[in-house]
Amino acid sequence: DAKTTQPPSMDCAEGRAANLPCNHSTISGNEYVYWYRQIHSQGPQYIIHGLKNNETNEMASLIITEDRKSSTLILPHATLRDTAVYYCIVRDIDNDMRFGAGTRLTVKP
Amino acid sequence: EAQVTQNPRYLITVTGKKLTVTCSQNMNHEYMSWYRQDPGLGLRQIYYSMNVEVTDKGDVPEGYKVSRKEKRNFPLILESPSPNQTSLYFCASSSPARGQTGEQYFGPGTRLTVT
Repeated sequence: DAKTTQPPSMDCAEGRAANLPCNHSTISGNEYVYWYRQIHSQGPQYIIHGLKNNETNEMASLIITEDRKSSTLILPHATLRDTAVYYCIVRDIDNDMRFGAGTRLTVKP
Repeated sequence: EAQVTQNPRYLITVTGKKLTVTCSQNMNHEYMSWYRQDPGLGLRQIYYSMNVEVTDKGDVPEGYKVSRKEKRNFPLILESPSPNQTSLYFCASSSPARGQTGEQYFGPGTRLTVT
């Protein structure tokens, strides 16, 4: 039970922002939202995580709605190398990561 | 460089021949974990370890063993591999284990084929 719902696939034009949505309507107060990505068959790579505030790092921004039932990962200027499967994971600090099917993002030239 | 390494990266073996996939991390992480990834089933956790000599089953532990004698190493053992264990395997580590947030670092993967 991955606790999250993501679209199976999305396309994005190179250089444009990629906005990847995630629904987590049953999230509880102590659960964090994590994002990972997996390029081809490489090991998943951590991107960002947050609890309730929006977060930004060198890779991406994470926008969490006020009711915390959904979030959006934003890649501000997508490149071809951002083509990957993106996983949204809800996790509390006492439990392990549970990966769902993710969103396959294809960045097109 | 902080990393998780796995060996071998590719392995083709026959049913019943015992094998070990090694995993090592150089970040002094307490927590280590093994996943398998199969088409349509995503990443599923096999075993995890919260620290030395502490291991526990994940979602799909049948047919696998692990050990954690040293902090840096977490080998995955298949005593009698079967074709349904053909998969892509990932080792991961993080610190702290639980009680705080933390990112997991993943190894490059081991592609195992059992014939």
